[in-house]
Amino acid sequence: SQQGEEDPQALSIQEGENATMNCSYKTSINNLQWYRQNSGRGLVHLILIRSNEREKHSGRLRVTLDTSKKSSSLLITASRAADTASYFCATDDQGAQKLVFGQGTRLTINP
Amino acid sequence: EAQVTQNPRYLITVTGKKLTVTCSQNMNHEYMSWYRQDPGLGLRQIYYSMNVEVTDKGDVPEGYKVSRKEKRNFPLILESPSPNQTSLYFCASSQKGNTEAFFGQGTRLTVV
Repeated sequence: SQQGEEDPQALSIQEGENATMNCSYKTSINNLQWYRQNSGRGLVHLILIRSNEREKHSGRLRVTLDTSKKSSSLLITASRAADTASYFCATDDQGAQKLVFGQGTRLTINP
Repeated sequence: EAQVTQNPRYLITVTGKKLTVTCSQNMNHEYMSWYRQDPGLGLRQIYYSMNVEVTDKGDVPEGYKVSRKEKRNFPLILESPSPNQTSLYFCASSQKGNTEAFFGQGTRLTVV
């Protein structure tokens, strides 16, 4: 079952620009998480936002959550070449002890 | 260092030859799970375990087995691999099923 869906599927920007990725989901959640995956490697946790939070920051990352629209966005400011990766949102079904991942946004930062 | 270790990283095998992919975590996490990642399909959960001796099916369990005899280990067993199990596999652990997950580096399996 697929819960989160990221948009866009692919994004290419110039170094220094901001990158915004969106995630939509279908059911009620306890929290939403964002992960990064470098090509063929394991996913790395970036940030978790709880359902009662609206915005969260971590370094150059800013995550927003709108539970009324069942959507979240991940903003990466002042992008760097090293930010090139795929980004996934993951949600939990309220009451279900599991994470469900979207298909990801592939971000390319051009030097 | 907190980590999830999978082995092997790469494996090429033939149809029907039983294989095991090992997974070990050093964070004393209760929850462990296996995912497969395929182009266009994202990550799909195969099996998960909420604690020792407690395992349950995920979204795509057919053709796989798991066991959780110890808290730190959660091997994935393919009794009779088939070509449609060619994929990139990830093991993950977390304190609970919906908390921050730590992923292994992945096992790229090819079944010919």
